[in-house]
Amino acid sequence: AQKITQTQPGMFVQEKEAVTLDCTYDTSDPSYGLFWYKQPSSGEMIFLIYQGSYDQQNATEGRYSLNFQKARKSANLVISASQLGDSAMYFCAMWVTGGFKTIFGAGTRLFVKA
Amino acid sequence: NAGVTQTPKFQVLKTGQSMTLQCAQDMNHEYMSWYRQDPGMGLRLIHYSVGAGITDQGEVPNGYNVSRSTTEDFPLRLLSAAPSQTSVYFCASRRKTGGTDTQYFGPGTRLTVL
Repeated sequence: AQKITQTQPGMFVQEKEAVTLDCTYDTSDPSYGLFWYKQPSSGEMIFLIYQGSYDQQNATEGRYSLNFQKARKSANLVISASQLGDSAMYFCAMWVTGGFKTIFGAGTRLFVKA
Repeated sequence: NAGVTQTPKFQVLKTGQSMTLQCAQDMNHEYMSWYRQDPGMGLRLIHYSVGAGITDQGEVPNGYNVSRSTTEDFPLRLLSAAPSQTSVYFCASRRKTGGTDTQYFGPGTRLTVL
């Protein structure tokens, strides 16, 4: 069965420092996609970054990058130069079964300290 | 371009009542989904659709119905509300173009069942 695991319930980081949020996944399908979403206290889900299983390079979007290690089945999110506005819940997600269903991890709450 | 819209934003129901949560997207996306998010948890898939006239069940479909008569609209019906359906409901639509896969979420509906 497909599964997403986020082992860090909460993380603290100093403003302007980089932080890595962990995500491991499990699937036997060779074709899959991985997402990261941010959910601030206001509740909306904000798409951050996407990585396809056949993509050769790690995905980057501004201060966000996805450290994709296929053999280890990990898809960690790296946020460079953290800002106070980065304080939020972060969810890792994967689409499976022909790409129609998306499953989510339990999330990591990030706290950025001034 | 409004993206994904959901109505209502908040709703209180009594046990046994029925209602429909509305979802619409103006991005001409083929894929649409409904998720629920319970406190402190990630999102779980209720139902999804890969195009007009085509729907299927997700992880937690019991107690919910969907239909997709147009590309734009994907309403979620609660047949007989139960306290266990108290949750935040998110609708999402998804584009897949070339190697990029992006899923956008609506703002959510906070439902309380008494």
